[in-house]
Order: sequence, then C-alpha cells, then structure tokens
Amino acid sequence: QSVLTQPPSVSGAPGQRVTISCTGSSSNIGAGYDVHWYQQLPGTAPKLLIYVNSNRPSGVPDRFSGSKSGTSASLAITGLQAEDEADYYCQSYDSSLSGWDVIFGGGTKLTVL
Amino acid sequence: EVQLVESGGGLVQPGGSLRLSCAASGFTFSSYWMTWVRQAPGKGLEWVANIKQDGSEKYYVDSVKGRFSISRDNAKNSLYLQMNSLRAEDTAAYYCARDTMIRGVDIWGQGTMVTVSS
Repeated sequence: QSVLTQPPSVSGAPGQRVTISCTGSSSNIGAGYDVHWYQQLPGTAPKLLIYVNSNRPSGVPDRFSGSKSGTSASLAITGLQAEDEADYYCQSYDSSLSGWDVIFGGGTKLTVL
Repeated sequence: EVQLVESGGGLVQPGGSLRLSCAASGFTFSSYWMTWVRQAPGKGLEWVANIKQDGSEKYYVDSVKGRFSISRDNAKNSLYLQMNSLRAEDTAAYYCARDTMIRGVDIWGQGTMVTVSS
C-alpha cells in the first residue's frame, strides 16, 4: 500500500477535463515537501510531467497542470486527447529516521473513452 | 542527447546476486544525484535507492536495506546497483534515473528486467 493515495482509475471523453488526486499526510506533502507528477505510456519508461507542484518541463502541453494544498496535490488534464491514455504517478518525499524517503503514489490509469 | 542505458538484468534464482549497470551520456553525470526505481509487472513505481553526486550519501527503501548496494563511478559516467540475496518480490523492471532533487526525476532509462525465479 502506497504512502500517497491515488484513485486507481479515471476516465473521460475526448475534449473533457479530468483530475487525479494524490493524498498524503503530515509527514510528506503536509510537511511541505514538493510533489512531482509522471506520465507512463504503455510499455515505456515514466516521463516527468509536472515538477514542484505546478511547473511543466519544456515540451509538456499546457493542457496539463498541477496544484498542491495542505496534504494533497492534484493533476488536471484539460482538452483530453486519445494520446493522454496512460498511467499517472505522483511523487514526493517522506520524513524518516534516516532523513527522507522518496515516495510514489500507487498510480492512476487514465482511460480516454 | 541526454541518455541513460541500463544493462545487467536477467533471470536469477532466489538467493542469487545480480549487478545492474547504467551508462549515462549527454550531461555532466557527476553533477547529479542518481536513483534506481523499480516496477513489478503490472504494478506501480517503487523507489529503490539513490546516491549523491560524490557517492558520500546513499539511501535505500527499507525492503532492500542490507541486500542492495548503490554505487557510481563518475570517471566512467556509470551508476550501479549490486543486488544480493534476491527474492521473488524483487522481480521488476529496474529504471536508472537522474534525480534533480528539486525539479523531480527528469531523465529515465528504458529499464532492465530482473526476474527472480527457480
């Protein structure tokens, strides 16, 4: 069971808007650690989609946006396209005895109807 | 072109050992933290270990502590993961990745598959 909780699946029709939540706790997101998001297309390696809560790397369409509040973060995708069908993961850090651990959410499968 | 290429995966018996390698190119390898992330078949991503630029700090997920060892050779632009006492639950695709620490894990290799089975 992942420290960061994501819905297993979401779906939407082309052109619609979907959101994916990432819920943590006071030892990770709530402690002020940043959240990053990754997109993993079928059969490929993950790709950085959003960094530091709401920033897009060069080349990522502005249809993708991120936000963070309290102990949670969200990824929003507007103008849904067939090519967006993929698995999405949030990532943050968690306080531990050794300093901090890198943690991932369990992943959310996006289906474009 | 910025690139990470893993090698060394394969089939190994429970209790066996394997050493993964990752060759980096197209960026100043010695300037970045590096990390290993794995993904069991049909499952999500799991951080395994990471290592500071000069190798002076190393961190591991609890499930591999005492069994896996991360290392790097900056002269060879290479990252390694020595895996001992392998278990069936270590079966996964292992990704080598560049961790900016501030701006996320921004470069990923294609992954190398490790299968632990008798």
